[in-house]
Amino acid sequence: AQKITQTQPGMFVQEKEAVTLDCTYDTSDQSYGLFWYKQPSSGEMIFLIYQGSYDEQNATEGRYSLNFQKARKSANLVISASQLGDSAMYFCAISPSYGKLTFGQGTILTVHP
Amino acid sequence: GAVVSQHPSRVICKSGTSVKIECRSLDFQATTMFWYRQFPKKSLMLMATSNEGSKATYEQGVEKDKFLINHASLTLSTLTVTSAHPEDSSFYICSALTSGNRELFFGEGSRLTVL
Repeated sequence: AQKITQTQPGMFVQEKEAVTLDCTYDTSDQSYGLFWYKQPSSGEMIFLIYQGSYDEQNATEGRYSLNFQKARKSANLVISASQLGDSAMYFCAISPSYGKLTFGQGTILTVHP
Repeated sequence: GAVVSQHPSRVICKSGTSVKIECRSLDFQATTMFWYRQFPKKSLMLMATSNEGSKATYEQGVEKDKFLINHASLTLSTLTVTSAHPEDSSFYICSALTSGNRELFFGEGSRLTVL
C-alpha cells in the first residue's frame, strides 16, 4: 500500500516569490513514480511534474521543480516566481504502476499580489 | 495533447434515480481508465480501475452494485450511480491511460448533486 502525506492545508506566498509545498510518502514498492497536480477551482487536474524513484536528478518543468529526497521519502514541489494564476489546490500523488494514483490531502496555495 | 472528456460536467438528480457519467478519450485508445471521487476541498479517492472488455476492479469499501462501471470500448468508460442518494453528491473524475507510451490524462470532472 502507498500513502502520501501533505501536512500544509494552506500556504500563502507573495507574487514573484518562491514557495515550497511539502510531500512525504510511504511505500513498500522499490519502483514508483511521484506526481504533482494542480487543481484550480474549475476542478480539472493539471499535471505539473513527475519524478521516478530511480531518477537521480531532481525533475524540473519550467517554474516547477521537485526536491526529491529518497532516503527521507519526501518529494517537495518548489514553485519559483509565483504568479496570481498559481492560486489553486495542489496534490502530490504516488503510483507503483503508471496510472493508479494515491493522492495526498492537498495544499491550497494562495498567491497575494 | 491527448484529451479526455467527461459528460455531463454537472448533473442534478432526484434521490432514487440513476445517473450515468461518461469518460471518453477523444484522440487515443485507453485500455485502462480510472474513476475517482472527490469531496469539496478533499483528496481524490480511487474508486475503481476500468479495463476495456473486462470487469472493473473496485477499491475496498466501494459498492460495486451502486457504482456500476462499464468499459465497452477502447475510448469510453461509463460510471452509473444507481439509486442515488444525497450522500452520493460529489465530484467524480476519470483518468485514462494511453496504451503506447503510458501517459495519463484526466477528464474535467463531473459534479453530481442528488436532491
